[in-house]
Amino acid sequence: GAVVSQHPSWVICKSGTSVKIECRSLDFQATTMFWYRQFPKQSLMLMATSNEGSKATYEQGVEKDKFLINHASLTLSTLTVTSAHPEDSSFYICSARGGGAGEQFFGPGTRLTVL
Amino acid sequence: AQSVTQLDSHVSVSEGTPVLLRCNYSSSYSPSLFWYVQHPNKGLQLLLKYTSAATLVKGINGFEAEFKKSETSFHLTKPSAHMSDAAEYFCVVGGGGNKLTFGTGTQLKVEL
Repeated sequence: GAVVSQHPSWVICKSGTSVKIECRSLDFQATTMFWYRQFPKQSLMLMATSNEGSKATYEQGVEKDKFLINHASLTLSTLTVTSAHPEDSSFYICSARGGGAGEQFFGPGTRLTVL
Repeated sequence: AQSVTQLDSHVSVSEGTPVLLRCNYSSSYSPSLFWYVQHPNKGLQLLLKYTSAATLVKGINGFEAEFKKSETSFHLTKPSAHMSDAAEYFCVVGGGGNKLTFGTGTQLKVEL
């Protein structure tokens, strides 16, 4: 199947700093990418959907000014957590989908810890 | 609106015995239903999906699931568990705009 990578796999940062997480589709062109957040022992919650070249669509309750999403190319989307705080600590997972209503392929996730 | 409930947060079986992971869903649409598996430090992998064709869906690694509309269920089964099946399993319902709604997950433990 298609491969999606995320970088970094884990990151620790100080409160108030910004952190960028990359999501890449390695062997296919992803017209749509999704960003999820997973708290310990909980389910994945969709944060936003991004289409290449367009602004991301955020789910209700997700602050778009805090979680900046850029999908500048068909193989790369980035999530930037701005002015991170300890409550932003979580596991962030991206997925990518080619054209149409095809399967979403998931990245391995990025664990963010904000001190 | 759509939602999914995984009835067991943890399931423990002996190797070679059957596996049953339970899932109930709620959807305003004719749903698409999926089971994903998540191994530690690995991305979510699709096991199988139901998209209104056959109600018994066969997936990878010997897993299968049966869509029962009358019971709004989509339980995942495997006749004989293997040690490598130990992982977190998510039942997922797909709705409008291809948005996926995840269940809370079931941790499967396989013992010798």
